[in-house]
Amino acid sequence: DQQVKQNSPSLSVQEGRISILNCDYTNSMFDYFLWYKKYPAEGPTFLISISSIKDKNEDGRFTVFLNKSAKHLSLHIVPSQPGDSAVYFCAASAGGGADGLTFGKGTHLIIQP
Amino acid sequence: KAGVTQTPRYLIKTRGQQVTLSCSPISGHRSVSWYQQTPGQGLQFLFEYFSETQRNKGNFPGRFSGRQFSNSRSEMNVSTLELGDSALYLCASAFRGQETQYFGPGTRLLVL
Repeated sequence: DQQVKQNSPSLSVQEGRISILNCDYTNSMFDYFLWYKKYPAEGPTFLISISSIKDKNEDGRFTVFLNKSAKHLSLHIVPSQPGDSAVYFCAASAGGGADGLTFGKGTHLIIQP
Repeated sequence: KAGVTQTPRYLIKTRGQQVTLSCSPISGHRSVSWYQQTPGQGLQFLFEYFSETQRNKGNFPGRFSGRQFSNSRSEMNVSTLELGDSALYLCASAFRGQETQYFGPGTRLLVL
């Protein structure tokens, strides 16, 4: 049973436009959500996180939105740049994170010039 | 501040052998978690150590084990290797096991 789902395996966006990556979860105990970016042969790099007490968190070009009632979160990247091309993972944790992170399968974002 | 380091970066073993992977967390971080990444299953949580104690374990067989030393460095051991153990093994550290974990570059294990 996949508790964190990223239904789009890949997404292609033009440089300068907005990239929107989506993530759904089923476990209502999740209270902290994170986005990681991963290049091939490297470990995931932390991008941005959001606690369940908030519905939005912003950091530069990256904004994460959380809709608890829909159990849905999204990552917005504005404007998209060529260096943003990577695989993006959504992750969630419950109970302070000591139970480990549960990851989605990832979305491969391709920024086209 | 130096990031999470993992050694070795690449490893080739044969079925039935055992392997030990090493992870050095970010200075000051006391929590170390291990994950396995495979194309089919994605990133899956193996276990987490804090202050030399295993606090939680994912759904993996007992062939997968680990330990943490007093300097927070951690090792992961896989015994009786199977072909399906071929994967990227990632280590992540956090200050107290708080939510934001920072990952190392991983160890790529190939079992032949």
